[in-house]
Amino acid sequence: EPEVTQTPSHQVTQMGQEVILRCVPISNHLYFYWYRQILGQKVEFLVSFYNNEISEKSEIFDDQFSVERPDGSNFTLKIRSTKLEDSAMYFCASSEFGLAEGADTQYFGPGTRLTVL
Amino acid sequence: AQSVTQLGSHVSVSEGALVLLRCNYSSSVPPYLFWYVQYPNQGLQLLLKYTSAATLVKGINGFEAEFKKSETSFHLTKPSAHMSDAAEYFCAVTLTGTASKLTFGTGTRLQVTL
Repeated sequence: EPEVTQTPSHQVTQMGQEVILRCVPISNHLYFYWYRQILGQKVEFLVSFYNNEISEKSEIFDDQFSVERPDGSNFTLKIRSTKLEDSAMYFCASSEFGLAEGADTQYFGPGTRLTVL
Repeated sequence: AQSVTQLGSHVSVSEGALVLLRCNYSSSVPPYLFWYVQYPNQGLQLLLKYTSAATLVKGINGFEAEFKKSETSFHLTKPSAHMSDAAEYFCAVTLTGTASKLTFGTGTRLQVTL
């Protein structure tokens, strides 16, 4: 069964450093998402991406964050200058049509645990 | 804006007992509702979703949920718990016709004991 994959599974970085989290969505999916979960808190939406553009972003997704689909398979989340409060589990998801098309299912990857020291 | 509230961060049941995980939603328009499960060290897996076609929704692994508009609820149930059901369960909502973001509840950790 096709699945969303994410690398690395765990990333440790120093405050102020840039990190890139990588995701490979399911191959025929057109919509891509990033969510994060700070330990003990809710899973929170960060950004959605379609047709090489951001379609929606949350207040969390400020200028320190960016997303890119550099080739036909990868979808990346970059944090330009990490802060302690960026420590969280980051989940990538993909869907075939996008929820606006009728509650399309988002398929999630296993997550990348980011630890900022 | 939409939101979901999950009552009980931890629920413990005996193997073979009924599982009931509670979710209440708040939405100004008809919502789409989801239950996801997360097993240790894995991603979120869809259990079931409500899309207004039927109020009683059956999902994978014997789980089902009933949409009750009058109670603004979408509780998850399973008649008989199995040890393999131990996991974290998340209720989520999105609004009809909006863009794609899911709004999640805080999650309920289900423990199944012998």
